[in-house]
Amino acid sequence: QVQLQESGPGLVKPSETLSLTCTVSGGSVSSGSHYWSWIRQTPGKGLEWIGYIYYTGSTNYNPSLKSRVTISVDTSKDQFFLKLRSVTAADTAVFYCARIAWAASAGSGHYFYMDVWGKGITVTVSS
Amino acid sequence: DIQMTQSPSSLSASVGDRVTITCRASQSIRSYLNWYQEKPGKAPNLLIYGASSLQSGVPSRFSGSGSGTDFTLTISSLKPEDSASYFCQQSYSTPWTFGQGTKVEIK
Repeated sequence: QVQLQESGPGLVKPSETLSLTCTVSGGSVSSGSHYWSWIRQTPGKGLEWIGYIYYTGSTNYNPSLKSRVTISVDTSKDQFFLKLRSVTAADTAVFYCARIAWAASAGSGHYFYMDVWGKGITVTVSS
Repeated sequence: DIQMTQSPSSLSASVGDRVTITCRASQSIRSYLNWYQEKPGKAPNLLIYGASSLQSGVPSRFSGSGSGTDFTLTISSLKPEDSASYFCQQSYSTPWTFGQGTKVEIK
């Protein structure tokens, strides 16, 4: 059974870079059958999709965060990472990592959905 | 961005009740709609994908319906363990977006 676990500092100073790791156990980030995503949750804005990565390194980011976000992957360690630069108090959130799966849709596309999530890590931005 | 609006924001129901949660998209998303359950301190859990496909391992009392802009999550007979928050999410186009959530409480 695949499990995901977020790790990283729980406190980051304003203007610094938030760095988180998601470790995949019971599976492989190189499976080719999944993408890997970061999501955050704040009381004010609710759940916000940050972006996703494929094991090849191909990424897709939320335009609202794209200028400050980098998602990367280390296939040798079955880990993927989030870096969020120039953080402010508004970036205080619970951050989740998740696995994205897909299924064929009735048309020519695919249904993408996040089928396995980590428990989340609370990151506070404060001096 | 596609806006997702859920209603109600919270509800209280009795064990055995039929519960319905609605999610409306700001534009057509065909059937690219997922539902998740979230409990405090636990990883969110996928319930429904593609608007109506039940995720493996999810109890059959959960069902989803709808297409276009209007979607429904139904719990046919509420159980105590269903006390949680429920979120819809569209995967029709990036950036993927979520509803604000519905908190279900047991009376």
